[in-house]
Formats: sequence, structure tokens, C-alpha cells
Amino acid sequence: AQSVAQPEDQVNVAEGNPLTVKCTYSVSGNPYLFWYVQYPNRGLQFLLKYITGDNLVKGSYGFEAEFNKSQTSFHLKKPSALVSDSALYFCAVRDPIRYSSASKIIFGSGTRLSIRP
Amino acid sequence: NAGVTQTPKFRVLKTGQSMTLLCAQDMNHEYMYWYRQDPGMGLRLIHYSVGEGTTAKGEVPDGYNVSRLKKQNFLLGLESAAPSQTSVYFCASSYSGAVSNQPQHFGDGTRLSIL
Repeated sequence: AQSVAQPEDQVNVAEGNPLTVKCTYSVSGNPYLFWYVQYPNRGLQFLLKYITGDNLVKGSYGFEAEFNKSQTSFHLKKPSALVSDSALYFCAVRDPIRYSSASKIIFGSGTRLSIRP
Repeated sequence: NAGVTQTPKFRVLKTGQSMTLLCAQDMNHEYMYWYRQDPGMGLRLIHYSVGEGTTAKGEVPDGYNVSRLKKQNFLLGLESAAPSQTSVYFCASSYSGAVSNQPQHFGDGTRLSIL
């Protein structure tokens, strides 16, 4: 069965330090992976995606994510955190084998990132 | 650029009342979705549509109905509201699901409370 897990409900980081938000997945084939960010009282905004190719994907606002097939992970990273990065982050996975069914996009439960000044 | 617009932004209902949430997108997307977001549970898909005139059930469809009479609009209806339907509802749209590497575009949500 297709699934995605975000093992940390909250991540706390000091401004200027590197940050990592973890995501692991389970799909039957090669996955399409996404990260979204949600600011208070707003909808989800697309950050980046992995489809194929280079395992390190760069996205918006200086974020990047590393696809690791052997560990079935797609962790979100940023070298130097900003207070403005504080938000709720969602990992999502899609099994391309099931592309004909829109219901096969699975979102993680979310990780709240808090950056202290 | 409007993107995805949800109406209303907030609503309080009494148990048993009915209402319709409206979603409009101006990106000519084929696919549209309705999700609910509850604390600690991420997003759960209620219903979705792969094109004008078509709808399908998602993960948690009970108690909801939808319609897609026009390509740009996707309506979510609650026929008889229950307290368990208190949630934040998000609409999203995307290009055809056949190009499944495309991200979804989300509205800013409707905060619904059922008393």
C-alpha cells in the first residue's frame, strides 16, 4: 500500500542553523515526491518535487530535498534557517503506476517547523 | 493571478443545516479536489473530479456531495451538517492526472464550525 510518514510533529531550529524535515515513503514503483509549505491561514504552497534524475532537488525559498531510494526517504533541507521559514511542512507521494487515479496522492501528517531568533 | 479561490472563508453552522462551499480556478486545470484538514491528520481527500461533469469519491466521502458543472468550478455540499464535519476545507486543482508529476494548487481554505 502507498503511504508517507513524517516522523516528527515539530522541529525546532535556531536561526542561521541548518534544518532537516524528515519524510519516508512506501510505494510499489518509483515514486513522485513533493514538498509543500503551509503558512497560517493559507493553503498549501508547492516547494519542490522529485520525479527522476539527480537525487538532490532544489526548490523555492532556498529549500532542497534529497531523494534516497535505498532508505525510501525524501528529507527537506535548508543550509541556513530563517525565522520566516516557520510554517507547517507536508511531504506527499504519488505512485505513477496509478496515474489514472487522482486519489493516489498521499499527504503526510505534517511537521511544524519553528525557527527561533 | 487569482489561482484557486474558495468561498466563503469562514462559516458557522448548526447541526442539521446544509451549505455549499464554492471553489473556482482560473488556470484551466482539468483536475480538481476537495480535502479536509484536521489536526495531526494531514490532508484527507473527500472527492475529486477529473473533468467537467465528472466526480469521484476520495478517502472520506461520507456526508458530502460534489458537482462539477463547469470546468472552472467545483462545489462541495453538506446536506445535513454534523459536528464531526468541523474542519478546514481546502480545494485544489492540477493539470491532467495523466501528467502526474504536476503539483496541486491550493486555495486558502474554508474554516467550517458545526455547533
